[in-house]
Amino acid sequence: QQQVKQSPQSLIVQKGGISIINCAYENTAFDYFPWYQQFPGKGPALLIAIRPDVSEKKEGRFTISFNKSAKQFSLHIMDSQPGDSATYFCAASKGGDMRFGAGTRLTVKP
Amino acid sequence: GAVVSQHPSWVICKSGTSVKIECRSLDFQATTMFWYRQFPKQSLMLMATSNEGSKATYEQGVEKDKFLINHASLTLSTLTVTSAHPEDSSFYICSAPRQYGYTFGSGTRLTVV
Repeated sequence: QQQVKQSPQSLIVQKGGISIINCAYENTAFDYFPWYQQFPGKGPALLIAIRPDVSEKKEGRFTISFNKSAKQFSLHIMDSQPGDSATYFCAASKGGDMRFGAGTRLTVKP
Repeated sequence: GAVVSQHPSWVICKSGTSVKIECRSLDFQATTMFWYRQFPKQSLMLMATSNEGSKATYEQGVEKDKFLINHASLTLSTLTVTSAHPEDSSFYICSAPRQYGYTFGSGTRLTVV
């Protein structure tokens, strides 16, 4: 069952632009919301994560915005670069139960 | 730190044979290991959760007799795909929970011919 809904499915952005990926969750018990970056043939790598007690977290060019009341969170990639081209997964977890979004294939054009 | 080493990275096997995938936690003890399957261009789907010293917990629809999971030590969890068939071809990934997030293995690409 898809407990975490992610959009868009694919995204094309020009170099230097802003990439925005959105996720919505259903289970209010989730207390940890990570974003993972995955390159072809590789396992996911943690990019940035947030807990529901904060509304925003920024690490370099990556920012998570979190809206607890709407049960939504998003990833913003500022100054997108061709090297950012990958598949991005949002996830939500409670304890050891982590559920992933369907993924967004990001392509950053030079 | 917090590295999970997964082997093999890819394997091709004949239909009907069994394949074992290993995940080792290199610098920490993993009492729990999650096993995921990922089909091309799709998300990660949790298959099962292994716990050291006890039976694995399987997600609904995952055949426990086909996907054998063993977590015999605090640093090793294995997934054995028994009597593999072409429809089992997929990318298998393990993950261990940490204090601040989860550490994933590099994945195993299984192709059954």
